[in-house]
Order: sequence, then structure tokens, then C-alpha cells
Amino acid sequence: GAGVSQTPSNKVTEKGKYVELRCDPISGHTALYWYRQSLGQGPEFLIYFQGTGAADDSGLPNDRFFAVRPEGSVSTLKIQRTERGDSAVYLCASSPNGAGGNYGYTFGSGTRLTVV
Amino acid sequence: DAKTTQPNSMESNEEEPVHLPCNHSTISGTDYIHWYRQLPSQGPEYVIHGLTSNVNNRMASLAIAEDRKSSTLILHRATLRDAAVYYCILRATGTASKLTFGTGTRLQVTL
Repeated sequence: GAGVSQTPSNKVTEKGKYVELRCDPISGHTALYWYRQSLGQGPEFLIYFQGTGAADDSGLPNDRFFAVRPEGSVSTLKIQRTERGDSAVYLCASSPNGAGGNYGYTFGSGTRLTVV
Repeated sequence: DAKTTQPNSMESNEEEPVHLPCNHSTISGTDYIHWYRQLPSQGPEYVIHGLTSNVNNRMASLAIAEDRKSSTLILHRATLRDAAVYYCILRATGTASKLTFGTGTRLQVTL
């Protein structure tokens, strides 16, 4: 597609429920990133995929958070036993190549997750 | 990750040029300087990046100091649509590196 697509755009869930957030990167982009942004803060890195594998998952806050990218394109961020503190905008970005500083990222519009 | 320092906020009048500063005194020789901006309720948007030389594109210009310890993003004629948070980020080359966002500069543009 022309840009990075994230679905749903908004998600309201009850505390303790499981949620999945989807990201469709730009076709051909091998690198995919997930970020989380709380109100008034800059985006916070969660995980980075190069192809199908997670090259850096150092930003995942705990084991309730997991992400997959089984075919090297679409990625799903999964959150188990959601907590109110998980409420944030979850952003996905893709890049032609993860290694090297000479590539910009293209971000999606994000999924606003609200845990009630 | 090498750190950047930006003013929390700046104001500009519409139609005037805007110079957004960024200090990065601990930059390494292989770090690229990236700028992104984030409009309200949107994801960050790539603006420009450079390594050593000044760069121009349709959105902005990037002026990099000779010692690379600072840079300036230049919007040549600010419009109301340029009101956003602007992030200056260093990104290493040759490694599987991620962008690390700070709090950025909130630019207000007034008529």
C-alpha cells in the first residue's frame, strides 16, 4: 500500500482482556517497529523486526506483551491481561532497511488503546 | 544512544522562517541526524536527515554545524499546518538501530 496501515484505529477493552493490534507496513519494507506513546510524551520503542525475526525486543515492558511477524510483512502486537496502564497510542513504523542510519521511517496513524 | 537537547517550545508567525535548534554534543562520527514531526492525533512524519552536509528537501532544510555537535531544522515559510512537535534524533549507521524519541520542540504558529 501507499503507507503504513494500522487497525483498528481505536480499541476499548476491559481490564484483564486480551487484545491484538495489527500493522500493515509498506510493501517491500523489511524493517518494522512498534512504539507506544502516552499523552504528552514522545514515542517509546517496544520492538523491532528485521524480516520475520525480532531483532530487538528490549522495549517490551513485560511478558504480557508479544509481537509476531510470521511472513515478514504484516505484524501483530498482542497484549494479554490488559491493565489500565496499557492505555496509550500504539504506533507502527516501517523502513526499507533496519540497519543503517540513512533510511527514514514511515509511521502509521496508530491504534488508540483504552483499557477501562 | 547519543542524546539530543531541544527547547520545549517555540513560537512563530505565519509566513516567517523558523529555525528549530538541536544540540547533540556526544554525536559519534557514524550517527545520522534525523528530524521527524508529529501533528496532533497523527503518527510521526519523517522530515529530513543528514550526516555532515546541509540538506534540502521540499519540506525543510537541515543545517549541520561543522563540528556536528548541533543542527538546525529550517522551515522557510511557516504555515498553520506546520504546528507540530518536532523531534531531533540521532540514528547510528551500520547497526540494527532504532529511533529513540525525546520530548521534542512544540512549535506554535500564529497568524
